[in-house]
Amino acid sequence: AQKITQTQPGMFVQEKEAVTLDCTYDTSDPSYGLFWYKQPSSGEMIFLIYQGSYDQQNATEGRYSLNFQKARKSANLVISASQLGDSAMYFCAMRELKRGAGSYQLTFGKGTKLSVIP
Amino acid sequence: DAGVIQSPRHEVTEMGQEVTLRCKPISGHDYLFWYRQTMMRGLELLIYFNNNVPIDDSGMPEDRFSAKMPNASFSTLKIQPSEPRDSAVYFCASSDRVPEQYFGPGTRLTVT
Repeated sequence: AQKITQTQPGMFVQEKEAVTLDCTYDTSDPSYGLFWYKQPSSGEMIFLIYQGSYDQQNATEGRYSLNFQKARKSANLVISASQLGDSAMYFCAMRELKRGAGSYQLTFGKGTKLSVIP
Repeated sequence: DAGVIQSPRHEVTEMGQEVTLRCKPISGHDYLFWYRQTMMRGLELLIYFNNNVPIDDSGMPEDRFSAKMPNASFSTLKIQPSEPRDSAVYFCASSDRVPEQYFGPGTRLTVT
């Protein structure tokens, strides 16, 4: 089973509109972390936002917010007031402790390609 | 502050040759990660270090791959011998005690 599922291979959004990128995850650990990264066409991976499983409030960073619904195991990224520079691939990722190994497992989703239309 | 530095940015080599990718983490970061990104498999964690010690190398595809971190400011990922299926973008990332990782620009490897 996939640990991280991003069901939208591609999304379009009008400039200045808000957009939600979906992410669901699968884990049986009570302690885990969820991340979103942006990868523009230039190729670098840019950290956007982090949510810990015990965090009471949804994480926000500027125009980015993470809609964390623990019972549904979803961690959707909301981008408000889209800009042309937001056009990129967006990856959801999860960090969980590997049982018996004492190390962390980091898993990335397949990504969603967001295109912002002027 | 300089970010994570990787070299070379692009590498083209012939099958069977040895390839060495280099990474300098952000100063003060005690975790270092090597990832591989391909269209087919997405982004995969290969290995990570904490305080220069390899913690988990279960993602290393096979014995042809090896990674070292001789000191806190330098790490290498070596492929010997290289094969065409190793063609990918290889990322190095580092972090300190916070969960988020900071990625380098990547090395695009092409094995012909």
